[in-house]
Amino acid sequence: NAGVTQTPKFQVLKTGQSMTLQCAQDMNHNSMYWYRQDPGMGLRLIYYSASEGTTDKGEVPNGYNVSRLNKREFSLRLESAAPSQTSVYFCASSETRSTNEKLFFGSGTQLSVL
Amino acid sequence: AQSVTQPDIHITVSEGASLELRCNYSYGATPYLFWYVQSPGQGLQLLLKYFSGDTLVQGIKGFEAEFKRSQSSFNLRKPSVHWSDAAEYFCAVAWYSSASKIIFGSGTRLSIRP
Repeated sequence: NAGVTQTPKFQVLKTGQSMTLQCAQDMNHNSMYWYRQDPGMGLRLIYYSASEGTTDKGEVPNGYNVSRLNKREFSLRLESAAPSQTSVYFCASSETRSTNEKLFFGSGTQLSVL
Repeated sequence: AQSVTQPDIHITVSEGASLELRCNYSYGATPYLFWYVQSPGQGLQLLLKYFSGDTLVQGIKGFEAEFKRSQSSFNLRKPSVHWSDAAEYFCAVAWYSSASKIIFGSGTRLSIRP
């Protein structure tokens, strides 16, 4: 059972380059999330998708875009990477957007922007 | 403002010793409360959660947590730690029923002394 799969695991970009982080879940979950994790700051929500066809901004959306491609896949795009976007990115999913539901996390993407 | 505080950045305990990780939250209303664990190179995994009812909740891997309304706290405990418990632990809180409103603490890194 794969759960939540993120690719790539590591990426180094130069300032101004673009890239897309991929996330897929095989649990038939409706809701998906993108977080970033920075030292001393815990996880902060970038964007989320409560259900297929919808996306909403989280706490720190600036500089990012997302696409809910289908029920399984939720991608995060950096159009013009900046050093401030150096971070570890986690995708998560849950059966519904309710707080009652457990969040399942991927293993993360470590991104460095030089 | 709503916030979550984990006052201990790093804790080291001896294997077999007891453990208590602290978590405090701001704001008056009773929130939804969670503890997550992150092993090195992995995503977060839910240890336990509290929504209502018995203020002492049991989780996986022998962990428990107690909600104390008067202290606005939700501390995580384990009677006897194992070397495999070395990880980073995150307290998380939500004051609304949407998972998109979950706020994560900054984490406590637990090291185990042999």
